[in-house]
Amino acid sequence: ETGVTQTPRHLVMGMTNKKSLKCEQHLGHNAMYWYKQSAKKPLELMFVYSLEERVENNSVPSRFSPECPNSSHLFLHLHTLQPEDSALYLCASSQALDRAYYGYTFGSGTRLTVV
Amino acid sequence: GQNIDQPTEMTATEGAIVQINCTYQTSGFNGLFWYQQHAGEAPTFLSYNVLDGLEEKGRFSSFLSRSKGYSYLLLKELQMKDSASYLCAVRSNYGGSQGNLIFGKGTKLSVKP
Repeated sequence: ETGVTQTPRHLVMGMTNKKSLKCEQHLGHNAMYWYKQSAKKPLELMFVYSLEERVENNSVPSRFSPECPNSSHLFLHLHTLQPEDSALYLCASSQALDRAYYGYTFGSGTRLTVV
Repeated sequence: GQNIDQPTEMTATEGAIVQINCTYQTSGFNGLFWYQQHAGEAPTFLSYNVLDGLEEKGRFSSFLSRSKGYSYLLLKELQMKDSASYLCAVRSNYGGSQGNLIFGKGTKLSVKP
């Protein structure tokens, strides 16, 4: 248990489905992140939230929609995904955007398969 | 642009020493991190370097040379449980970003008996 909990651990969905990934942290961190990890590729930053406000969106397709209702919870809403979206989706948190020298704390990820 | 390079795979023997290199090209450099990731698990923080030199933490050490854009992670007295992927990540303020971490592809280390 790293302090950042992601659910579900595994998800298989059809291209017409709508699903949501959930991330929860109780570390008192103010910044939260979504990363995509594909085989043989580096972790790709998708979204950054600071104090529940989105501060960065790295050209992610609109079929991925993040939501941060409070500083402890982060969601990634998925709809009409493509097979190439199959990957490990990692959530991370840090104390604050400008204090990441303590490192990020990652969740164990959601393994997503789009069929 | 930004680029981080590290070897894809390495193999070493239990009890030995292994050095995993990382080179980077980035603007607005603001620190380098090493993470360990076991298969199917979360990446976990190993080390952070922002100034040149060696940081030692038990069996693990990390070195940084900012002028060369180079870092390495040194693992001593290797154990079987050290078999994992090791991710090099650079914190950069490039392009007006908030200083997010940019990751390399990771080095998969296999420790043999």
